[in-house]
Amino acid sequence: GENVEQHPSTLSVQEGDSAVIKCTYSDSASNYFPWYKQELGKRPQLIIDIRSNVGEKKDQRIAVTLNKTAKHFSLHITETQPEDSAVYFCAATTPYKYIFGTGTRLKVLA
Amino acid sequence: GAVVSQHPSWVICKSGTSVKIECRSLDFQATTMFWYRQFPKQSLMLMATSNEGSKATYEQGVEKDKFLINHASLTLSTLTVTSAHPEDSSFYICSARDWGSTEAFFGQGTRLTVV
Repeated sequence: GENVEQHPSTLSVQEGDSAVIKCTYSDSASNYFPWYKQELGKRPQLIIDIRSNVGEKKDQRIAVTLNKTAKHFSLHITETQPEDSAVYFCAATTPYKYIFGTGTRLKVLA
Repeated sequence: GAVVSQHPSWVICKSGTSVKIECRSLDFQATTMFWYRQFPKQSLMLMATSNEGSKATYEQGVEKDKFLINHASLTLSTLTVTSAHPEDSSFYICSARDWGSTEAFFGQGTRLTVV
């Protein structure tokens, strides 16, 4: 079945620096790759997504890149702020599956 | 964005009893529902995928007789945890997607505690 690996599991950066989180997936039928931010005990919040026909997408300080050949995609956060501290999940999806990565706990140090 | 309402948000039950969790799409047709389980500090683990009017497809290792999923309408899916035990205590969350759409929308989750 589909497997989504996410690295690193924890990431600490200084405020203002960039943070990069990487995911790899196994199912070549995956065609939609969302990224979520989740606070403890709350539902995941979509922060950015990318479809398989696009290589890169940017929304202000957040960007996502996709390499379909290598089956990996990455989240880039620039100019990090303390409020960016949270747990981030990637997901790889097909019409029949919606599989999450293992999660990254990001800490932005003031 | 589309709204998915999940109830209850938390529930405490005794061992051996059953608990039903509801997931409703309020403003779109949820042709596909996903049910997840999340342990503390862990990821969302897909339990099963259900399509309206069809039997749910369970992930490997998930007991279908213990976690009963019903998706009888385009706006409602239910997860029933039967004969609950303390090890079933977890955060359960649903998500719903309309046919042809890529993004799934999440319910607010249910914190189940079995005592």
